[in-house]
Amino acid sequence: GAGVSQSPSNKVTEKGKDVELRCDPISGHTALYWYRQSLGQGLEFLIYFQGNSAPDKSGLPSDRFSAERTGGSVSTLTIQRTQQEDSAVYLCASSPDVDRGQGIQYFGAGTRLSVL
Amino acid sequence: AQSVSQHNHHVILSEAASLELGCNYSYGGTVNLFWYVQYPGQHLQLLLKYFSGDPLVKGIKGFEAEFIKSKFSFNLRKPSVQWSDTAEYFCAVNAPWGGTDKLIFGTGTRLQVFP
Repeated sequence: GAGVSQSPSNKVTEKGKDVELRCDPISGHTALYWYRQSLGQGLEFLIYFQGNSAPDKSGLPSDRFSAERTGGSVSTLTIQRTQQEDSAVYLCASSPDVDRGQGIQYFGAGTRLSVL
Repeated sequence: AQSVSQHNHHVILSEAASLELGCNYSYGGTVNLFWYVQYPGQHLQLLLKYFSGDPLVKGIKGFEAEFIKSKFSFNLRKPSVQWSDTAEYFCAVNAPWGGTDKLIFGTGTRLQVFP
């Protein structure tokens, strides 16, 4: 079956521009996560959506970062006024309700963001 | 705050050598523990997990990990590596009672296996 799909796969932007990254989770998965993978930093949690509950935004590094999830499916991560330190691979993951509380997540291929 | 430490950043081995990758976490409560793997050009995927019970857990491709509560460790092992094990390995934890399923990852260990 189809996995987690992210677009674009690569994004090059200029400092100060806004970018939108898209994630299509696996159909039927209720939970959706965004992580950031920077060189030498591992994977850093950004935000978590679970069904209709309020999202856990505790990992967003600044107010330039925001995310929404429409209709319980597709999610968009928006970075406003991008900075060079935002350059990273942004990973999206999803999980079904049956795996809730178990930390088992299915990852997409990521979007590589380069801010010049 | 929870954190995960992986002390080996880059490991280079020959085929058939034994592997042990270290992982320590800092969290006093009940946690679930994971190893995820990212093979070249592929998505991050679950290798193995520990929730409770037998502290020695077995995953795919001959990998195993041992949870030692007193040491806050969850080291990954494989008795004999293969070239196809070349990948990046991430240790992760989550706190299931914390109201969120977010994973806290270590910085990863890049494993290169030469034939």
